[in-house]
Amino acid sequence: AQSVTQLDSHVSVSEGTPVLLRCNYSSSYSPSLFWYVQHPNKGLQLLLKYTSAATLVKGINGFEAEFKKSETSFHLTKPSAHMSDAAEYFCVVSDRWGTDKLIFGTGTRLQVFP
Amino acid sequence: DSGVTQTPKHLITATGQRVTLRCSPRSGDLSVYWYQQSLDQGLQFLIQYYNGEERAKGNILERFSAQQFPDLHSELNLSSLELGDSALYFCASSDPRDSDSYEQYFGPGTRLTVT
Repeated sequence: AQSVTQLDSHVSVSEGTPVLLRCNYSSSYSPSLFWYVQHPNKGLQLLLKYTSAATLVKGINGFEAEFKKSETSFHLTKPSAHMSDAAEYFCVVSDRWGTDKLIFGTGTRLQVFP
Repeated sequence: DSGVTQTPKHLITATGQRVTLRCSPRSGDLSVYWYQQSLDQGLQFLIQYYNGEERAKGNILERFSAQQFPDLHSELNLSSLELGDSALYFCASSDPRDSDSYEQYFGPGTRLTVT
């Protein structure tokens, strides 16, 4: 079965410092992986996706993630945090060969301090 | 704006009642998915429809049902509501024919409060 584990429930950074949100996945075949962001009282927005092309994936708002098969990881990074990055971030795996349903991690709440 | 619309935005109802949530997918998307986001369960998949047919079921209660109509919009029906059904319900759509994407586009959600 597919699953993702987000290793931190909360991450706090200062504005202008790097962001690292960690995600490990479990999959019996090559997965499709996503990061979604949810701002307070808002819907879900796709940040980036990995679908077996380049292992380093660039997304919106300066975010990127690297697919590392040997480590079964898909960590999300950003070189410099902005106040507007404060939100809940979800690592997601798609059940590609089954139903296409998305399986969400438990989320990481990112706080950005001035 | 994802192109997926959901109505209503907010719904407040009493225990034991029945409600219907509506979703209109992006133009051309044949698949519709329903997800529930609650504090204790997180975000979980409920059900998927593809071109009018049920394709997959997740952790959907028997009190809940859904359908997708010929114009591809979908409705999620929740009956005999309990306090624990209070949650944010998301609809998403995708075009499974786009095999390079596997991306789902989410609507803004319907917040259901059961009192």
